[in-house]
Amino acid sequence: AQTVTQSQPEMSVQEAETVTLSCTYDTSESDYYLFWYKQPPSRQMILVIRQEAYKQQNATENRFSVNFQKAAKSFSLKISDSQLGDAAMYFCAYRSNNDMRFGAGTRLTVKP
Amino acid sequence: EAQVTQNPRYLITVTGKKLTVTCSQNMNHEYMSWYRQDPGLGLRQIYYSMNVEATDKGDVPEGYKVSRKEKRNFPLILESPSPNQTSLYFCASSLSRTQREKLFFGSGTQLSVL
Repeated sequence: AQTVTQSQPEMSVQEAETVTLSCTYDTSESDYYLFWYKQPPSRQMILVIRQEAYKQQNATENRFSVNFQKAAKSFSLKISDSQLGDAAMYFCAYRSNNDMRFGAGTRLTVKP
Repeated sequence: EAQVTQNPRYLITVTGKKLTVTCSQNMNHEYMSWYRQDPGLGLRQIYYSMNVEATDKGDVPEGYKVSRKEKRNFPLILESPSPNQTSLYFCASSLSRTQREKLFFGSGTQLSVL
């Protein structure tokens, strides 16, 4: 079965600085998508960014970007110019036609 | 407004008392699923449904039931809740099961079984 690993249970960053959250996954499939979801204290799950495995170009959404290394099965999230509102739990997720899996999450604290 | 509506938001119950958590989506989505979120474990899939009358077990189905009689509704049923089912539950839906589709989540149900 596919697995998603987030090795950093907690991270902190100074406001306006950059932070990178790590995610690795294991799969034998070649066609899949990867996602990062944000869960603020409100508990709402919010899609931050997604990456198609066939695309070599890394996805970017404003201050959020990913470093997708398909051969290494790595999918890290970079948050630039961190803001207080970025404080949340972040989940990495993998989805194929047959499977959907989430990592254990990384709790991000933003210090003013 | 396109949304997944999940109720109740909070629920405290006692061991063995049957309960149902409702989930409804207004986006005509084919795919719906239930997850439980526990500290250090992330979200784990309980059940999912590809379409009406088509449900399948996820990774942690024991102690849960679901039904999909209508496309918009996907209730989660705990016939005899136990304390190890204390958790945060999420319902989610997507247009189809294909991998590119993002999930739309409900607002979560915090369940405590005493």
